[in-house]
Amino acid sequence: EVHLVESGEGLVQPGGSLRLSCAASGFRFSSNWMHWVRQAPGKGLVWVSEINPDGSTTRYADSVKGRFTISRDNAKNTLYMQMNSLRDEDMAVYYCARGAAGASGLDYWGQGTLVTVSS
Amino acid sequence: QSALTQPASVSGSPGQSITISCTGTSSDVGGYNYVSWYQQDPGNAPKLLIYDVSNRPSGVSNRFSGSKSGNTASLTISGLQAEDEADYYCTSYTSSNTWVFGGGTKLTVL
Repeated sequence: EVHLVESGEGLVQPGGSLRLSCAASGFRFSSNWMHWVRQAPGKGLVWVSEINPDGSTTRYADSVKGRFTISRDNAKNTLYMQMNSLRDEDMAVYYCARGAAGASGLDYWGQGTLVTVSS
Repeated sequence: QSALTQPASVSGSPGQSITISCTGTSSDVGGYNYVSWYQQDPGNAPKLLIYDVSNRPSGVSNRFSGSKSGNTASLTISGLQAEDEADYYCTSYTSSNTWVFGGGTKLTVL
């Protein structure tokens, strides 16, 4: 069974940094694109970033480009998001999600981890 | 990248059919058959309902169907049930090699 478990939840001041992790199990992690999607309290889903199976291609939403870095360790079956220069508007629940093989959907999601940005 | 446009809310009675629209541009919805739909219950992670415009993952009820015409994609739920009450989101690939979600639609089953 596919499982995605995010960690790294925390409270950080504006301008600070935080690293999120997403531990994957139940599938061949090195075969799938992986994504981060966030949801601010009471708001809708927003796509943040994606990474290809071998980590050589990364893409970002304009709102986080230059501040966030997505990466993966296929040996550890883990996805990461390094978040720097955090802003108030980055406060959200961050979900990691698996890209469906050969299709456009995100077929499995983690339970989410909360990032709070506040002074 | 601007969010895709969805109605904020829709409603229907049990047994009825409803359709949720998702409008973008030729640079996203209209340009690619990479539209997917998600259902989200409050406090839970989203669930994939439809991928590649009209395909259902295994285990998703055939009451859910997707389509696209021009720059607008649609999700139709037939035989509405109380358990369908949730938030629904569309997403599309874009010409910038990114993805964009719709603003979300709250479905109320009357």
